[in-house]
Amino acid sequence: DAGVIQSPRHEVTEMGQEVTLRCKPISGHNSLFWYRQTMMRGLELLIYFNNNVPIDDSGMPEDRFSAKMPNASFSTLKIQPSEPRDSAVYFCASSLDRYPDYGYTFGSGTRLTVV
Amino acid sequence: QQQVKQSPQSLIVQKGGISIINCAYENTAFDYFPWYQQFPGKGPALLIAIRPDVSEKKEGRFTISFNKSAKQFSLHIMDSQPGDSATYFCAASITGNQFYFGTGTSLTVIP
Repeated sequence: DAGVIQSPRHEVTEMGQEVTLRCKPISGHNSLFWYRQTMMRGLELLIYFNNNVPIDDSGMPEDRFSAKMPNASFSTLKIQPSEPRDSAVYFCASSLDRYPDYGYTFGSGTRLTVV
Repeated sequence: QQQVKQSPQSLIVQKGGISIINCAYENTAFDYFPWYQQFPGKGPALLIAIRPDVSEKKEGRFTISFNKSAKQFSLHIMDSQPGDSATYFCAASITGNQFYFGTGTSLTVIP
């Protein structure tokens, strides 16, 4: 299995531009999570999906952030418009169950820099 | 509000030494405590986990010590190796609910 695949690995964009991050979860996993990692706040859960349905988006910082999961094999996290404070590493993770005892499988992340 | 507080932020250990990372929590309903290991450019990966019905769990050179009354748990890495150099995250959850992660500890093992 190729694991959780995220793209792009790195993204540099100008303030005000739209940014789209992509994730392909492990085949067969039915839960998908988007996390943001910063030095100051560590790992923050932004949103999670179960069976392609958004369950909890309370971690989404503001309306500029949106996430979709059109099918079981693909999800996007969009920031529009982007701001310098959005600079972080964004991780996607998937799991077999909603909150499994055996942990999530994380992707390698997308490092976003907004200048 | 940080649900899980982790210390130290960074740690430097000589090869062969013991690395100790500590975490504390407040929510007594937490019943699952995993540790994740993250190498540069990679996502976190589950390393070892414990439930509060035991006070210690060991897997190879990695041991979790759990003190339920103090609401603390720690990761011990015995015979630390340069290959252990990574960022370590503790986490806590109530089974069936989300994980709360600590802010991470950057471990450097000097040869």
